[in-house]
Amino acid sequence: AQSVTQLGSHVSVSEGALVLLRCNYSSSVPPYLFWYVQYPNQGLQLLLKYTSAATLVKGINGFEAEFKKSETSFHLTKPSAHMSDAAEYFCAVSDRGYSTLTFGKGTMLLVSP
Amino acid sequence: DAGVTQSPTHLIKTRGQQVTLRCSPKSGHDTVSWYQQALGQGPQFIFQYYEEEERQRGNFPDRFSGHQFPNYSSELNVNALLLGDSALYLCASSLVAGGNTYNEQFFGPGTRLTVL
Repeated sequence: AQSVTQLGSHVSVSEGALVLLRCNYSSSVPPYLFWYVQYPNQGLQLLLKYTSAATLVKGINGFEAEFKKSETSFHLTKPSAHMSDAAEYFCAVSDRGYSTLTFGKGTMLLVSP
Repeated sequence: DAGVTQSPTHLIKTRGQQVTLRCSPKSGHDTVSWYQQALGQGPQFIFQYYEEEERQRGNFPDRFSGHQFPNYSSELNVNALLLGDSALYLCASSLVAGGNTYNEQFFGPGTRLTVL
């Protein structure tokens, strides 16, 4: 069975500061890993994905994540936070068959001026 | 190109009633997955439809059922509604690429179901 743990239900940063959202996964097979963003009252938007190519993955809006097999981690980072980054972020893992997603509980990113 | 669409956007039902939610996949997609997102939680996989058959199911009771039509659109039905069924229901579509590859899922905006 696959699972995802996101450390911290809320993360607060100042505008311009580094964003770091943590994600650890458990999978019995080499995983596919994803970060999604959800703005209030909206669906999920894919930020980036790891599908066994480069371990450092660049996504939209300046976000990136690094797959570290030894640490079973896939943390999301952005060098400089913007007010528009305030949203909820979900880490997810997928199998390699049916491509169904198992999500973490989410981390709410709060950005203050 | 329209993305994934869902209807209705909001729905209010009372306990014991039945509800049907609808999803139209992204153009060219043939697979539809449904997820339930309770307040403050991550989405949970309900089931997936491909070629009009349910081909994978998550840990949800039989009160949750679905259907896929020949045009690939899908319905999610929930019978005997409980207060705990209140959630955002997300539909995601993808195209089966074959082989051991990941089929990227595209999400719709969701249907907010409130059970009173």
